[in-house]
Formats: sequence, C-alpha cells, structure tokens
Amino acid sequence: GDSVTQMEGPVTLSEEAFLTINCTYTATGYPSLFWYVQYPGEGLQLLLKATKADDKGSNKGFEATYRKETTSFHLEKGSVQVSDSAVYFCAQGGGNKLTFGTGTQLKVEL
Amino acid sequence: DAGITQSPRHKVTETGTPVTLRCHQTENHRYMYWYRQDPGHGLRLIHYSYGVKDTDKGEVSDGYSVSRSKTEDFLLTLESATSSQTSVYFCAISPDRDNQPQHFGDGTRLSIL
Repeated sequence: GDSVTQMEGPVTLSEEAFLTINCTYTATGYPSLFWYVQYPGEGLQLLLKATKADDKGSNKGFEATYRKETTSFHLEKGSVQVSDSAVYFCAQGGGNKLTFGTGTQLKVEL
Repeated sequence: DAGITQSPRHKVTETGTPVTLRCHQTENHRYMYWYRQDPGHGLRLIHYSYGVKDTDKGEVSDGYSVSRSKTEDFLLTLESATSSQTSVYFCAISPDRDNQPQHFGDGTRLSIL
C-alpha cells in the first residue's frame, strides 16, 4: 500500500542553521503532497502543499519541491528559529484520504 | 482556523467502559475523519465519513465505530475500551474537491486504565 517515510528525529539545530527534513513516498500515480506542523498540545496545521510534479510549496520560510523522479518532498528552511521547534509530518493524498509519515521532531536551540 | 471542535479534550476511563468522542464542524465540509496518534506510528486513520450516514473503515478500525447523523457532527465510539486504545485522537475535515488538505481539531487525549 501507499506509505510515506520520513527521517527519524529528533533533529537538533542551533538558531539560524539550515534545515532539511527528508520525505519519500511510494504512491503510484500523482498524489498530492503535504507538510504539516504540530506544536505541543495542538492539532496538525497545514504548512505547505504541492499538487503536481516540480511544484514548489512554500510558507513561513519553509519550502518543499515535488520531485517525481526521486519520489521525494523534502522540507527545507534556510534559517530556523527557536519558534520552529515542533513535530513535522509529511503526508501524501489521494482519493480524499491522507497517508502520514511518522513525524520528525525538530528542536532549535539558542 | 477551520471551525472544528473536539470534545472532550481529555478523558480518563476504565477498561471495559464505553466511550464516545465528538467532533463538530462549522465549515459544512463533506469529509470528516478520525485518526489516532501514537509514538512511532504518526497518525493512523480509524474511520472516515463522506456524507451523512456514509462512513468507511480506515487502517485501524477494529474496536471502534462511528456515526454521522448530521453534516456537522462525527462521533467515534469505543464500545468497550481497552488499554491499547489509550491515545490522542484527532478529528479532521476536508471539502469535496480533489487534492485538498485536511484541517485538524486540537485532539482528545484519552487514557484507559
């Protein structure tokens, strides 16, 4: 079946460091791809999305590019802040359902 | 924020008791979903609904039932709670259009002793 694989966490970075969180998917066809963020004690919030190959989703300094050839949707940010500390989930969508990765915890320190 | 309210937000109960969680939306979206979140598993779909009285199973539906008698309400019931159902439960909604993201409630933390 469809699955999403994310890099294991936690990822610990210093403020202003560059962030990459890897995500690969296995769906056939052309699923939509999403990144969600979850802050402590809260639900998931949509961070960005891409619906077709080579699309780049971006929001709040984060970006991810839909790479069909490598079935990847890696999340990047050029300079992280302490307030970016959260759990990040990659997801693929098709048929009005989503399949999530297991989440990657990001900790940003001063 | 999408208008999604989950109730209760926290609940502690005993093994063998029935439990019902409620999800209420004000967006008039067609699709509603129940997930559970557990360490190491991410979010797993329990059941979902694609309209009033129209529901289907997700990947971890055993031990759970759902009902949707109105567009705005989606209930999740544990008929006889077990300790393995201790989890954080999230409701999500999405409109009836392709490639649309889901929007999530703030979750219900359920502990079964």
